[in-house]
Amino acid sequence: GQSLEQPSEVTAVEGAIVQINCTYQTSGFYGLSWYQQHDGGAPTFLSYNALDGLEETGRFSSFLSRSDSYGYLLLQELQMKDSASYFCAVSAQTFKAAGNKLTFGGGTRVLVKP
Amino acid sequence: GAVVSQHPSWVICKSGTSVKIECRSLDFQATTMFWYRQFPKQSLMLMATSNEGSKATYEQGVEKDKFLINHASLTLSTLTVTSAHPEDSSFYICSAREVGGGQGGSYEQYFGPGTRLTVT
Repeated sequence: GQSLEQPSEVTAVEGAIVQINCTYQTSGFYGLSWYQQHDGGAPTFLSYNALDGLEETGRFSSFLSRSDSYGYLLLQELQMKDSASYFCAVSAQTFKAAGNKLTFGGGTRVLVKP
Repeated sequence: GAVVSQHPSWVICKSGTSVKIECRSLDFQATTMFWYRQFPKQSLMLMATSNEGSKATYEQGVEKDKFLINHASLTLSTLTVTSAHPEDSSFYICSAREVGGGQGGSYEQYFGPGTRLTVT
């Protein structure tokens, strides 16, 4: 089975940096993804790590350490619009017919204050 | 970019009735679509994997006779909630992966806007 853990909530001020950690236990691992979801909206893809290291995409960066079964999402120069829930998700390739299923963590609610 | 639509965006139905939700990939073909359910302030739980031209694969604990999935074409999958009850009230989200993604399979799933189902 798969299980992912991430903090439930983080509060920070505009301009600050927030790091959201994600630890996972999986029976198979293909990669770690991060998604953003605003209240009432659909998840939108932020980043993906299949290999160890840091991936930077603008203000957001994502890190993976496969040996530690750990990753994080780094949000820099926080803006009010970044207030949302952030989910880590593991891709564990099972069999071809099912494709790469995603198993989501519980989500971290980020609240950005002025 | 890849767009996935869902219809309807919200629906209210009476207990005991059935509701059909459509998921369409608008500008790409998807051999695989996924159906998720999300309760308020909770995570997305995968219900089933919908494969074009074959039977869906359901996750453990999901009743296949209650949640009927049909993936009739490369751009359309439907989820029918049969004999809906108030506990089925939830946010249902589909996602799709493009045919022939990158080496090893595309890692990106494109999500629809979701359908909020309320059963009274």
